[in-house]
Amino acid sequence: SAVISQKPSRDICQRGTSLTIQCQVDSQVTMMFWYRQQPGQSLTLIATANQGSEATYESGFVIDKFPISRPNLTFSTLTVSNMSPEDSSIYLCSAGDGDYGYTFGSGTRLTVV
Amino acid sequence: GENVEQHPSTLSVQEGDSAVIKCTYSDSASNYFPWYKQELGKGPQLIIDIRSNVGEKKDQRIAVTLNKTAKHFSLHITETQPEDSAVYFCAASRGSNYQLIWGAGTKLIIKP
Repeated sequence: SAVISQKPSRDICQRGTSLTIQCQVDSQVTMMFWYRQQPGQSLTLIATANQGSEATYESGFVIDKFPISRPNLTFSTLTVSNMSPEDSSIYLCSAGDGDYGYTFGSGTRLTVV
Repeated sequence: GENVEQHPSTLSVQEGDSAVIKCTYSDSASNYFPWYKQELGKGPQLIIDIRSNVGEKKDQRIAVTLNKTAKHFSLHITETQPEDSAVYFCAASRGSNYQLIWGAGTKLIIKP
């Protein structure tokens, strides 16, 4: 299964600024996803990152707030824009092929002050 | 809409005993059911999965059972050990778009 490297592991950011999270996979994968997880809660899907085209966002998430890039089959970024304290959360990258078996990165713990 | 219900939210068992976590899904088109283990400060880790054409799957101390008619699937951990303490999530595939619908999670506590 794919191994995912996610950076940064944690960050503390000022409100109104933006943070870009990187997700690097050690092999080409079909599917890449971005999730948000509040401490002690389940995973909420933000979007599916599509290679070479615009990401597909879930209800409640918009491109202006969470722009996503996926330039190739091994790399994706998620930007959290114009941050507010409500954006404080853990952000997770997940990847795999069409047969499921998705793996996850170790997550980015974001605190907005 | 589609959802996955997971019970219990917290499960405390004596070391060496068995633990069972249950999930119910609503989407009849779901055909893939994974279980993930998440330790503190880490991302979820896939521990076992089952597809709709199989009723049971085992991997050492871990097993998953699926009842498609009742739309239930369960995780069974036998001979529990302290390192089994974690949060466990069930999930079900959402139709055919390769996304997963997640349960709320179960915090498993293994008492020494």
